[in-house]
Amino acid sequence: EPEVTQTPSHQVTQMGQEVILRCVPISNHLYFYWYRQILGQKVEFLVSFYNNEISEKSEIFDDQFSVERPDGSNFTLKIRSTKLEDSAMYFCASRVDGYTFGSGTRLTVV
Amino acid sequence: AQTVTQSQPEMSVQEAETVTLSCTYDTSESNYYLFWYKQPPSRQMILVIRQEAYKQQNATENRFSVNFQKAAKSFSLKISDSQLGDTAMYFCAFMKRSTGANSKLTFGKGITLSVRP
Repeated sequence: EPEVTQTPSHQVTQMGQEVILRCVPISNHLYFYWYRQILGQKVEFLVSFYNNEISEKSEIFDDQFSVERPDGSNFTLKIRSTKLEDSAMYFCASRVDGYTFGSGTRLTVV
Repeated sequence: AQTVTQSQPEMSVQEAETVTLSCTYDTSESNYYLFWYKQPPSRQMILVIRQEAYKQQNATENRFSVNFQKAAKSFSLKISDSQLGDTAMYFCAFMKRSTGANSKLTFGKGITLSVRP
């Protein structure tokens, strides 16, 4: 069964550093998403992406966040200057009809 | 805006017994989907079951079934013959029916289910 692949599975970074979280969506999917889950809390929508542009973003997705699909296969989330409160599990998902989630990247900001 | 409420933070059930997880939601939309996702300790999000709001028949997937009450905006999950592998966090989620990318999922806070041997 096709999968959404996320790398790395765990990333530790210093506060203020830039991080890039990577995702390879399912090849025939058209819509791409990033969600975030702070430990013990609910899963929150960050951004949706279609046709090489952002379709919708949440209040969480401020200027320190960006997404791109540089080569038609990878879908990345960049956090420019990480804060302690960015520590969370980040899920990539893709969709043509139903959602398929990746296994997540656990980001720890120290 | 949509809201999803899961008021029970934790539940416990004996192996082989049946358990029901509650979920209510609020929306002004008429066409939408409702989902239950399972999140085991590995943290992966696994789709358990999906219900289309325009379908009156409750969805069923093997041991998992839902009780969808559209007028009451209630969407509960019943797990029959509970197994140890069902131990996980369960999230109820809402999605507006749309052909575009603007079909984000709105999640409840989740419920931790423990299956006792």
